[in-house]
Formats: sequence, C-alpha cells, structure tokens
Amino acid sequence: EAGVTQSPTHLIKTRGQQATLRCSPISGHTSVYWYQQALGLGLQFLLWYDEGEERNRGNFPPRFSGRQFPNYSSELNVNALELEDSALYLCASSLGSGRYNEQFFGPGTRLTVL
Amino acid sequence: GESVGLHLPTLSVQEGDNSIINCAYSNSASDYFIWYKQESGKGPQFIIDIRSNMDKRQGQRVTVLLNKTVKHLSLQIAATQPGDSAVYFCAEIYTGGFKTIFGAGTRLFVKA
Repeated sequence: EAGVTQSPTHLIKTRGQQATLRCSPISGHTSVYWYQQALGLGLQFLLWYDEGEERNRGNFPPRFSGRQFPNYSSELNVNALELEDSALYLCASSLGSGRYNEQFFGPGTRLTVL
Repeated sequence: GESVGLHLPTLSVQEGDNSIINCAYSNSASDYFIWYKQESGKGPQFIIDIRSNMDKRQGQRVTVLLNKTVKHLSLQIAATQPGDSAVYFCAEIYTGGFKTIFGAGTRLFVKA
C-alpha cells in the first residue's frame, strides 16, 4: 500500500513569492494534517482538513492557507514568502473517523526562501 | 495536533549501549501514545505505540514505558546501533477529542 506522498521534494523561492505544496494521503484516509518543521525544531501544527473542511488551525498568519480536494488530497499555499518560512513541511494523513488518530507522515517538502 | 517548538535536547550513546529517551506529556486525558523516529531529511516514522490501559509494551529492540501518575513516557532502545541515530519524539492522543500533541523531540547520536 502506498504511503503519504508529497510534492515537490524541494522548492526554492524568493521573498514575496508564493509557494504551493501538495499532499496525497494514504488510500482510505480522509484527514490530512500539515506541519512546519524548522531546522532543529519540533513539529509546529499548521492545518487539519477532514472531509474537505478545515477542522483546526495552528498559530500561523493567514498567508498560510490550504484546501482539501474531493479525493482527499490537499494543497498548502504560502503567500508573500518570508525568509523564516524556510522549513520542512510535513503532511500526515489519518482515518478521520477512526478510534485512534494515528497519523502517518509523508517525506516532506523542503522549502527554501532566498 | 499542536506542538511546542523548542531547540532539541540531545542524547549521545555508545554503539551497543542501551538508550532511554524521555517524554513528559501534558494532557491527563490522553489515552494513546506513539513514538516516532525521524531521520535527517525524512518524515517521521511510527516506531511503537501504547494505550493508556498498559504500562509497558515491547517491540523489536524497543520498549515503551508509560507512567500515568506523573504523565511520563519513555522509549528504551536496546543495543543501540548507528542506524538508530535520529530525532525521536512522542505523540499523545486523546482519542475522544481527536486531539494529538507532539513532543519537541530528542536527537539521538550513536557513536561507533
């Protein structure tokens, strides 16, 4: 069974540009989570989507946004990029209505803002 | 899920020694716990889990201990190998509220 996939693997942008990151969950999973992991730091929760709806949002500015498509894949958009947005962005998926909210992670997208 | 971003503590062990990585969790209602391993440049991988009705669970070379009285979780790695070098972090889950909180993580260095 295929795991969570993310694209692109690496993304290089300049300040002020916009970045779009994509995630495909494990087949059958309806929940998708986005995390930011800056170098040497722990996971910072960004967004949680389930069944196409935004369920929860972390403490990030509005220029971080996303959506979930009918096939449960998801996009994370970051507008007006700043240097401190450089990080590994991780996507995870889970069974949205499952008893245990175990999250399975993708390999991440490394975003570098120059 | 939520997490607190902190600079990671590190643990350095000699190859072949046992490693113990600790995690203090915050929500007394959390009833399911997971340890993840994250190698450099990769996403976190599930290692072992434990439910709150247990206090110990063993896997292959890994053991998780849960002390609900003091809200403490530990991961023990037996005969640590260079391939075990990674960041390890715990996740506490309150299944009733579908809430997951990730610990900041501990970086494990294994010296050959």
